[in-house]
Amino acid sequence: GAGVSQSPSNKVTEKGKDVELRCDPISGHTALYWYRQSLGQGLEFLIYFQGNSAPDKSGLPSDRFSAERTGGSVSTLTIQRTQQEDSAVYLCASSSRTEETQYFGPGTRLLVL
Amino acid sequence: DAKTTQPPSMDCAEGRAANLPCNHSTISGNEYVYWYRQIHSQGPQYIIHGLKNNETNEMASLIITEDRKSSTLILPHATLRDTAVYYCIVRPWVTQGGSEKLVFGKGMKLTVNP
Repeated sequence: GAGVSQSPSNKVTEKGKDVELRCDPISGHTALYWYRQSLGQGLEFLIYFQGNSAPDKSGLPSDRFSAERTGGSVSTLTIQRTQQEDSAVYLCASSSRTEETQYFGPGTRLLVL
Repeated sequence: DAKTTQPPSMDCAEGRAANLPCNHSTISGNEYVYWYRQIHSQGPQYIIHGLKNNETNEMASLIITEDRKSSTLILPHATLRDTAVYYCIVRPWVTQGGSEKLVFGKGMKLTVNP
């Protein structure tokens, strides 16, 4: 079946602009996660959704970052007033209620100039 | 912080078994051992997980020591496509109050040579 999909696959933006990154989880998966991976760094957790609510937002690095999920499916990660340090690969994962294994999408590569 | 330690890198000859070690000496009784890998420029790929029994699937085998303080991921016949960074992660049962998030360490770069 279809895996996690993310769009766009690549995004180049100018410092100060807002960007929206989209994640489509595996059909039927109730949990959705955002992570990011900066150049040469490990993967760091950003936020977790169960259904449409976000019980854990502890990884969001600043108030410029926000995320929402509607209809228990698609999620959007928004970065306002982008900075160069926001350049990274943003990864989305999803899991089902019965099987807690997280499956990752291909990521969105964000470059802030 | 990651609760696992892995060597930074390992080489393996194509067609041979690759044995990837992981130490998790502070693992708790309700924590699973998960393995993911990340091939260059791709998202992490789930490989296998286990609690205390050895596990095998179409990709790999996972051997967990009896005291659960270490484990080994075995790729029985490594191919060039297995070259990747491999992450060993411990994670508690979410239903027992464990955090949903995965905590990735630096992982181990496996290079399969022709």
